Amino acid sequence: KAGVTQTPRYLIKTRGQQVTLSCSPISGHRSVSWYQQTPGQGLQFLFEYFSETQRNKGNFPGRFSGRQFSNSRSEMNVSTLELGDSALYLCASSLVVAGELEQFFGPGTRLTVL
Amino acid sequence: GESVGLHLPTLSVQEGDNSIINCAYSNSASDYFIWYKQESGKGPQFIIDIRSNMDKRQGQRVTVLLNKTVKHLSLQIAATQPGDSAVYFCAENRGSQGNLIFGKGTKLSVKP
Repeated sequence: KAGVTQTPRYLIKTRGQQVTLSCSPISGHRSVSWYQQTPGQGLQFLFEYFSETQRNKGNFPGRFSGRQFSNSRSEMNVSTLELGDSALYLCASSLVVAGELEQFFGPGTRLTVL
Repeated sequence: GESVGLHLPTLSVQEGDNSIINCAYSNSASDYFIWYKQESGKGPQFIIDIRSNMDKRQGQRVTVLLNKTVKHLSLQIAATQPGDSAVYFCAENRGSQGNLIFGKGTKLSVKP
């Protein structure tokens, strides 16, 4: 079974631009979560989508948004990029089995904002 | 590789020794806890989990201990190997939804 895939793996943008990142979950997983990882703040939860609906949201500004398609693939968008948005963006897909959450991460997209 | 933290606590152990990595969690309502391992250039990889109705769970070479009284979690790695060198994160969850809260991480360095 293929793992979580994220594209692109690396991205360089300039301040003020917008960016869209893509995530394909493990087949059969309906939940997709996004996290931002930075040296200063560590791993922080952005949002979670389940069956095309946002189910949970972290404490990030409205410039960060996402969506999920009927095939469970998800995209996240960051508008009006700031230098502080430079980070590793991780996507995780989840399945609940016998009441236990199984969450698997992709390799991440490294975003650099210049 | 990816930088996951400039000021992470670091644990340095000799190959073959046991390692203990500690974590304090924040939400007393959390009912599920997970340990992840992150190697340079990769996403976090699941190691072991534990539910709040348990205080100990064992896996292959790893044991997780949960102390709900003081909101403390630990990961014990037996016979640590060079391949165990990585950053280790604890994460907490409530309600089995995909919104994990991660700790700051500990960098484990194994000396051959």
